[in-house]
Amino acid sequence: AQKITQTQPGMFVQEKEAVTLDCTYDTSDPSYGLFWYKQPSSGEMIFLIYQGSYDQQNATEGRYSLNFQKARKSANLVISASQLGDSAMYFCAMREGWENTDKLIFGTGTRLQVFP
Amino acid sequence: DSGVTQTPKHLITATGQRVTLRCSPRSGDLSVYWYQQSLDQGLQFLIQYYNGEERAKGNILERFSAQQFPDLHSELNLSSLELGDSALYFCASSGEPGGSTDTQYFGPGTRLTVL
Repeated sequence: AQKITQTQPGMFVQEKEAVTLDCTYDTSDPSYGLFWYKQPSSGEMIFLIYQGSYDQQNATEGRYSLNFQKARKSANLVISASQLGDSAMYFCAMREGWENTDKLIFGTGTRLQVFP
Repeated sequence: DSGVTQTPKHLITATGQRVTLRCSPRSGDLSVYWYQQSLDQGLQFLIQYYNGEERAKGNILERFSAQQFPDLHSELNLSSLELGDSALYFCASSGEPGGSTDTQYFGPGTRLTVL
């Protein structure tokens, strides 16, 4: 079963608009972390934002915020005031706490294209 | 720049050959992870080392091996290469393991092409 699901293969957004990228996860571990990474066409993986399962507030980092709905097991990334440079692949990832490993499990990604 | 370095950036080789990918973690990070990104499998965890010791194994083939040296740099060895091994190989590093807040920072990747 997929542990991380990103249902949007591609998204378009106009410059300066906000966009939400969806991510749902599946775990029975009460302790876990959720991450978003950005992969531009150049290939590197850039860390954007982190949300812990026990965090009371939604994480924010500049123009990035994470809409964390624990009961729904969703961790959507919201990018405000989109810029052309935001065009990239975006990956949601999870780390579970109980496996005594720190491996990240990734979703299949969403390709975001920002147009003028 | 994440602070994680990987060499080489690109590698082109033939089937049956052996290659070594190198990774230097961020200063102070003790954990190194290797991931493979391919079109058909997506991003998959291969193996993790912490302070020189293997900590966790993922979907790593027996033809692949890795190690972490006393200076904390790591090498991923891929042998008897097949066409399907063509992928982008990432190294990531983080600090103390086991903490759910610990973020993995990725290197720029090594793009391996097997012809």
